[in-house]
Amino acid sequence: KQEVTQIPAALSVPEGENLVLNCSFTDSAIYNLQWFRQDPGKGLTSLLLIQSSQREQTSGRLNASLDKSSGRSTLYIAASQPGDSATYLCAVLDDYKLSFGAGTTVTVRA
Amino acid sequence: EAGVVQSPRYKIIEKKQPVAFWCNPISGHNTLYWYRQNLGQGPELLIRYENEEAVDDSQLPKDRFSAERLKGVDSTLKIQPAELGDSAVYLCASSLGGQGNQPQHFGDGTRLSIL
Repeated sequence: KQEVTQIPAALSVPEGENLVLNCSFTDSAIYNLQWFRQDPGKGLTSLLLIQSSQREQTSGRLNASLDKSSGRSTLYIAASQPGDSATYLCAVLDDYKLSFGAGTTVTVRA
Repeated sequence: EAGVVQSPRYKIIEKKQPVAFWCNPISGHNTLYWYRQNLGQGPELLIRYENEEAVDDSQLPKDRFSAERLKGVDSTLKIQPAELGDSAVYLCASSLGGQGNQPQHFGDGTRLSIL
């Protein structure tokens, strides 16, 4: 069974600092990895999707890397803003099923 | 495009009562998912539909949970009878296909509280 772990569980940084969020998974036979954002009381918003054949994806201030062989992904958020405060979840797709981590809750202090 | 729509947003019921959740996926999305998210955890898949066919319901507690997707569009998830441990957020998601190259789009969920 796929196990997805996100460390740290919570993170607080001052505005402007770069964010680094980590995700690890136990089974490297995945189709893709997605990073999601979840605001309180809301559903999940897809941020980036990395196919298993790719090493990274970028969108604006967000960059996600994937090292499938070691079972790791990192989400970088440059120049953080208070609006980036949310919970960030990673999920891996294998056998048509998404397995999620528990998320990292980020607070960006103004 | 309109997103995934779920209703109700909140539901409070007493244990042993029935409850139903409704989901309208993004137009044209043939794959529909129901997830359950417990507090402080990531979502866990309950059931996946390809059009009107349930292709993965291995995680659905079939003694009390049921789901349907008539005409391959809207879907309903039902719990009867509800238990205290069913308190959670129930999320619906849809995608263009079940393959790995299509992202899943989520609704805002239904927050269920069992008294």
